[in-house]
Amino acid sequence: DAGITQSPRHKVTETGTPVTLRCHQTENHRYMYWYRQDPGHGLRLIHYSYGVKDTDKGEVSDGYSVSRSKTEDFLLTLESATSSQTSVYFCAIGSGDPNGYTFGSGTRLTVV
Amino acid sequence: LAKTTQPISMDSYEGQEVNITCSHNNIATNDYITWYQQFPSQGPRFIIQGYKTKVTNEVASLFIPADRKSSTLSLPRVSLSDTAVYYCLVAITSGAGSYQLTFGKGTKLSVIP
Repeated sequence: DAGITQSPRHKVTETGTPVTLRCHQTENHRYMYWYRQDPGHGLRLIHYSYGVKDTDKGEVSDGYSVSRSKTEDFLLTLESATSSQTSVYFCAIGSGDPNGYTFGSGTRLTVV
Repeated sequence: LAKTTQPISMDSYEGQEVNITCSHNNIATNDYITWYQQFPSQGPRFIIQGYKTKVTNEVASLFIPADRKSSTLSLPRVSLSDTAVYYCLVAITSGAGSYQLTFGKGTKLSVIP
């Protein structure tokens, strides 16, 4: 969707290596979110941010960290990737209203 | 956290009206009911939102009874392009001042020619 981009779109990495996924927005929204999507689980919230340097944990935060040093970028880091973190990762931005979420196109991460 | 329950899958023929019902028994007073649509290899996108009674937009209608313990998404005259997963969500207010969306497993709608 216009206004939000995720990079990379695809990545294959080895177990134990660090990985950083980037979400970039041009909408100047305050709220940003990271979800993961796995078969049979729908989307699950990993971390979210409600402002620069303000972040909080979601439902499945273990093994992940995030940083937001400026409004437009929200980074998701897997400190030491494991095979259980193979997934599709979606970033979302929000204005604060429940109908105001916009999702990115996703990053498909494979940990081998 | 308000949990939602919806059918795992549904099939429909082109041109028919499709109704997907979702139950959310422990919805709170300030919570909104929101529906999102997801196509394969894409992120979810917003369809419709409501608080009570009926809401209609150019894509769908949303019916919410007075007790708000369930809601029904209605898609008029579906086409093949409506084949997607539909998520019913209860948007709850988070401590950070926004609404937080918790996704369930969704309903996979398959439209048959």
